[in-house]
Amino acid sequence: SQQGEEDPQALSIQEGENATMNCSYKTSINNLQWYRQNSGRGLVHLILIRSNEREKHSGRLRVTLDTSKKSSSLLITASRAADTASYFCASIQGGSEKLVFGKGTKLTVNP
Amino acid sequence: SAVISQKPSRDICQRGTSLTIQCQVDSQVTMMFWYRQQPGQSLTLIATANQGSEATYESGFVIDKFPISRPNLTFSTLTVSNMSPEDSSIYLCSVARGIVHEQYFGPGTRLTVT
Repeated sequence: SQQGEEDPQALSIQEGENATMNCSYKTSINNLQWYRQNSGRGLVHLILIRSNEREKHSGRLRVTLDTSKKSSSLLITASRAADTASYFCASIQGGSEKLVFGKGTKLTVNP
Repeated sequence: SAVISQKPSRDICQRGTSLTIQCQVDSQVTMMFWYRQQPGQSLTLIATANQGSEATYESGFVIDKFPISRPNLTFSTLTVSNMSPEDSSIYLCSVARGIVHEQYFGPGTRLTVT
């Protein structure tokens, strides 16, 4: 079953704007991860945030985690056309060894 | 990180046939996984490939349909047996050094069954 539910399902913005994607989950987690997938190819790992962390940065990426609301957000600042891709959140459920993926957000950055 | 290769990258197969997908990692890893991604959908875990023993399958996936081998810590195969058009998907392998660590994905195998 899908653990994460991303919204929006699709997002279209102009180059230079910021893009925010949200992810909600249902059970306790060990960590939450964000991945990018370009045009149906392999997934690229972007960032991992542990359950005891609230915010993490990597370059133009900022991830937040709110375990009380069971939600996470991925912010891409100063977006570029090359950021056009699908973004997935995924989490390890507490006590499990499975990485469960959300449905993904399809981001289009228009030049 | 790990460098993962998959072969073939894509294939078009006739229904009723079988296809074996290979996954090779450039270093020894503890955990290897196989996922399916149906058109326009997210990833669904098929099974965890266990070195030297039978794979652990998720609900809805069975060994007769998706036999998996993992002879060592750097290589695994997934066979899609007796294919039907519903098996048309991208199949991805991934690896992790531990379950609480990042997973790294191969480039995927795009399978079309006609």
